[in-house]
Amino acid sequence: DARVTQTPRHKVTEMGQEVTMRCQPILGHNTVFWYRQTMMQGLELLAYFRNRAPLDDSGMPKDRFSAEMPDATLATLKIQPSEPRDSAVYFCASGLVGGRGTGELFFGEGSRLTVL
Amino acid sequence: SQQGEEDPQALSIQEGENATMNCSYKTSINNLQWYRQNSGRGLVHLILIRSNEREKHSGRLRVTLDTSKKSSSLLITASRAADTASYFCATDASSNTGKLIFGQGTTLQVKP
Repeated sequence: DARVTQTPRHKVTEMGQEVTMRCQPILGHNTVFWYRQTMMQGLELLAYFRNRAPLDDSGMPKDRFSAEMPDATLATLKIQPSEPRDSAVYFCASGLVGGRGTGELFFGEGSRLTVL
Repeated sequence: SQQGEEDPQALSIQEGENATMNCSYKTSINNLQWYRQNSGRGLVHLILIRSNEREKHSGRLRVTLDTSKKSSSLLITASRAADTASYFCATDASSNTGKLIFGQGTTLQVKP
């Protein structure tokens, strides 16, 4: 079964450290999304890419977050420096948008980040 | 920011009963989708309803959409303990981006 793969599944780090989360989208999907989930805010859209080009990253704190797609099989979300308020579950999702796309998103299992 | 508001926030029913969850949204949409999330897992797509559709069925799921009221409902019939999960509505306001804005979700507990 094709699936979105995220690593790491769990990460505990100390405030000020750099954190990189990785995502392998489903082959053939043209759009990749990064979401953050917390109890207080729910699911927030951080950034997304179409055909590897960033479309919108207005949901991200620009000073510390960055998202890239160095190639079609890898999307990364980096936090530098990390802060305790960044503790959350970060989800990557991919989908086929436009044309014959169904519009549904396929989510990875998430990366649970704890910043001490 | 959340586009969808879901109601109720939590729902507890007995196995075999029906569960109804509601979602309201603010702006015009291209489509509305429902997702399920089991504890500690990623979201799984359940059903998509387009703005020109009023009702859609998939197995034990029935979704309705009222664009005049900007609301949708998800009905799960003959619920099972395995249906215990959080359910989210998500709206796609543009046919070009695929960007989904999620509601806060309804936590459903089905007691055996």
